[in-house]
Amino acid sequence: EAGVVQSPRYKIIEKKQPVAFWCNPISGHNTLYWYRQNLGQGPELLIRYENEEAVDDSQLPKDRFSAERLKGVDSTLKIQPAELGDSAVYLCASSLVGAVTGELFFGEGSRLTVL
Amino acid sequence: DAKTTQPTSMDCAEGRAANLPCNHSTISGNEYVYWYRQIHSQGPQYIIHGLKNNETNEMASLIITEDRKSSTLILPHATLRDTAVYYCIVRVATSAGNMLTFGGGTRLMVKP
Repeated sequence: EAGVVQSPRYKIIEKKQPVAFWCNPISGHNTLYWYRQNLGQGPELLIRYENEEAVDDSQLPKDRFSAERLKGVDSTLKIQPAELGDSAVYLCASSLVGAVTGELFFGEGSRLTVL
Repeated sequence: DAKTTQPTSMDCAEGRAANLPCNHSTISGNEYVYWYRQIHSQGPQYIIHGLKNNETNEMASLIITEDRKSSTLILPHATLRDTAVYYCIVRVATSAGNMLTFGGGTRLMVKP
């Protein structure tokens, strides 16, 4: 079974440029998460989707960040315009509500460097 | 969700048991203890979880104290590939999703 797939793995852009990250969750997983991980720190939740509805986006900087999950499957996280402080790894995870373990499955992440 | 306290870093000799402690003194009765690890340049990976009984799987054992205020993750025979950051997380399993709140974790270095 394929895991959570993210792209691109690496992205280098100049500040003020836009960037987008794509996530394909595990088939059948109705919950999708975007986390941001700064160097040397644990991941921090940006947004959580239940199917296509964003149920927790309180930590998403809405002035420059946006996310969507069309049809309740794939998701895109966008930053426009990017700032130097946005350099981080952006992790996508998915889970199945009601699963016994409550396990989250993470992708390998997209590493963003803003110059 | 309850806050956890973990040592910043630990070393372990290859082949020996690695015992990673976690304090969660404010844990509630319906909160589970989860452990994840993150190997360099990868996403976090689930290891094990428990409520109040000790648990064991193919990766590790989880020992939870009787008062549930602390727990220990045990890797019985650590290998070099177990070098990673280990996160202890306590949370309620809700019907609305299984959100995890990560702290800083423990950086485990397994040495030859």
